[in-house]
Amino acid sequence: NAGVTQTPKFQVLKTGQSMTLQCAQDMNHEYMSWYRQDPGMGLRLIHYSVGAGITDQGEVPNGYNVSRSTTEDFPLRLLSAAPSQTSVYFCASSYLGRTEAFFGQGTRLTVV
Amino acid sequence: AQSVTQLDSQVPVFEEAPVELRCNYSSSVSVYLFWYVQYPNQGLQLLLKYLSGSTLVKGINGFEAEFNKSQTSFHLRKPSVHISDTAEYFCAVSVWETSGSRLTFGEGTQLTVNP
Repeated sequence: NAGVTQTPKFQVLKTGQSMTLQCAQDMNHEYMSWYRQDPGMGLRLIHYSVGAGITDQGEVPNGYNVSRSTTEDFPLRLLSAAPSQTSVYFCASSYLGRTEAFFGQGTRLTVV
Repeated sequence: AQSVTQLDSQVPVFEEAPVELRCNYSSSVSVYLFWYVQYPNQGLQLLLKYLSGSTLVKGINGFEAEFNKSQTSFHLRKPSVHISDTAEYFCAVSVWETSGSRLTFGEGTQLTVNP
């Protein structure tokens, strides 16, 4: 029972580089979301999706893109990495209408 | 929009002592309430949730929380903590929107249990 799987677990980028954080879930959840966690700020919602082909912005979307071509996958793209994007990123999923979210193990990203 | 405030950023306690982690929320509509726990270098794990019904909610690992609508609070308690309870705890609220349910998190409370 894999649940929510995030890759990679750690990543170091140079300013201006782009990359994609991967997220996959095997629970057939309709709702998927990306959060970033910064010290003293809790988790903040970046983007979310209620199903394949449907995405929307959360609280802090600037500098990030998402797409949802399948129910299982919800990748997060950093277009041009900046030091302010140094953070721990979490992917979460849940059934639509049920509010309990399942989280991945996180990706620790450092932008130098 | 909803918001969550965790009133203590750090709570140090001794092993076997009781602990309370405080959470207040603000929302103009009905909310669901959650406590999540994050152990070092891990993801978030659900401790307990309040959706409706009894205002006293019991969760895993001996934790419980009480929903107080008049005070808009959802404080987490444990009567006797263990070293293994050392972790960061997050309070969260969820509201149902047409596009699904969104979680809003508090800033987190670091619980440190000392021997």
